[in-house]
Amino acid sequence: NAGVTQTPKFRILKIGQSMTLQCTQDMNHNYMYWYRQDPGMGLKLIYYSVGAGITDKGEVPNGYNVSRSTTEDFPLRLELAAPSQTSVYFCASSYGDFRGLSYTFGSGTRLTVV
Amino acid sequence: AQRVTQPEKLLSVFKGAPVELKCNYSYSGSPELFWYVQYSRQRLQLLLRHISRESIKGFTADLNKGETSFHLKKPFAQEEDSAMYYCALSPYSGNTPLVFGKGTRLSVIA
Repeated sequence: NAGVTQTPKFRILKIGQSMTLQCTQDMNHNYMYWYRQDPGMGLKLIYYSVGAGITDKGEVPNGYNVSRSTTEDFPLRLELAAPSQTSVYFCASSYGDFRGLSYTFGSGTRLTVV
Repeated sequence: AQRVTQPEKLLSVFKGAPVELKCNYSYSGSPELFWYVQYSRQRLQLLLRHISRESIKGFTADLNKGETSFHLKKPFAQEEDSAMYYCALSPYSGNTPLVFGKGTRLSVIA
């Protein structure tokens, strides 16, 4: 049981480049989330989804886009990378409602924009 | 809106000393509170939730609605407790995602 899988683990982008952070889960969780973790700032919610075809903005959505075409996958797209997007990105999932029994987190993607 | 405050960025204690990681919250309705932990090179994972009223790895946390607090406590710290700890809140209705605090790094000194 892989849980939540994120790729890549590390990436360096140049300003203005674009990329997609991949997230897939094999637990049939209907709820999925993208958080970013900045030192001293905790985790901030970027986007979330309650099921295939449904997404919504979190606290810090600017500069990002998401899609949820299947229950398993929830990719995060950066269109024009900026230094402010340097962060560690975590994908998570839960079952049932927003609390879930607990959130299952991926191992993270460390992104540096230079 | 929900808000979670963890006033300490870093807490250093000696092995065997008591530990208390503070968490205060702001929410007008009935909250559900959680503690998540991130050990070095590991994924963020649930440590405990107030509704379960359980002790995990010797840690306990009691929801104090009067003081709007959910402090995490352990009577005797161990070196393996060194980690990043996040307090999180969700409305009891479960209709919005978890809101996390900024986290407290616990360092247990041998």
